[in-house]
Amino acid sequence: GESVGLHLPTLSVQEGDNSIINCAYSNSASDYFIWYKQESGKGPQFIIDIRSNMDKRQGQRVTVLLNKTVKHLSLQIAATQPGDSAVYFCAENPSTGNQFYFGTGTSLTVIP
Amino acid sequence: KAGVTQTPRYLIKTRGQQVTLSCSPISGHRSVSWYQQTPGQGLQFLFEYFSETQRNKGNFPGRFSGRQFSNSRSEMNVSTLELGDSALYLCASSLDDRPGHTGELFFGEGSRLTVL
Repeated sequence: GESVGLHLPTLSVQEGDNSIINCAYSNSASDYFIWYKQESGKGPQFIIDIRSNMDKRQGQRVTVLLNKTVKHLSLQIAATQPGDSAVYFCAENPSTGNQFYFGTGTSLTVIP
Repeated sequence: KAGVTQTPRYLIKTRGQQVTLSCSPISGHRSVSWYQQTPGQGLQFLFEYFSETQRNKGNFPGRFSGRQFSNSRSEMNVSTLELGDSALYLCASSLDDRPGHTGELFFGEGSRLTVL
């Protein structure tokens, strides 16, 4: 199967600092990527997406960077807040249809 | 607009039994996908339905099946339950309104299945 991996399983940051969560994907044909946030006891929540024809996309306090050359995806969270504490997943879509492959997740802890 | 609704939220079964989980997508969404989430394997794709047809299928045994109704609601069934089937089963819907244009997935809160 596909492999979508994360470099770090856990990340702790101080409140107010910026967070960077990384993700490596394996399929060079993947053309659509999504970052999800999952809080304990809840389903994954959409944060931001990016298509392969872009290398950067910004949302509210979040930025996703895509480097297709090295098949790397990152999520940057500005001014991290305690409410950002959660597990973050990257997901890639290598084909038409909604079959996504998810990374194993990074647990982000924000220290007040 | 109501989100993706999954029922039941929690259930306990014993080995050998079967289970049916239900998912109501966001109104207007025609694509419904199912994922299994476990601590060891993470989120794994089970199958996707679009307009009552299975469009994609993951690498799960035939004990896992699903269907979609004309109103886009979907059910998944697991027969002959095994201990390893204990997991959070997540349903996601997508608008998928343009051919070749994958849309973002909106997830429900999941159905947590425990097999004893």
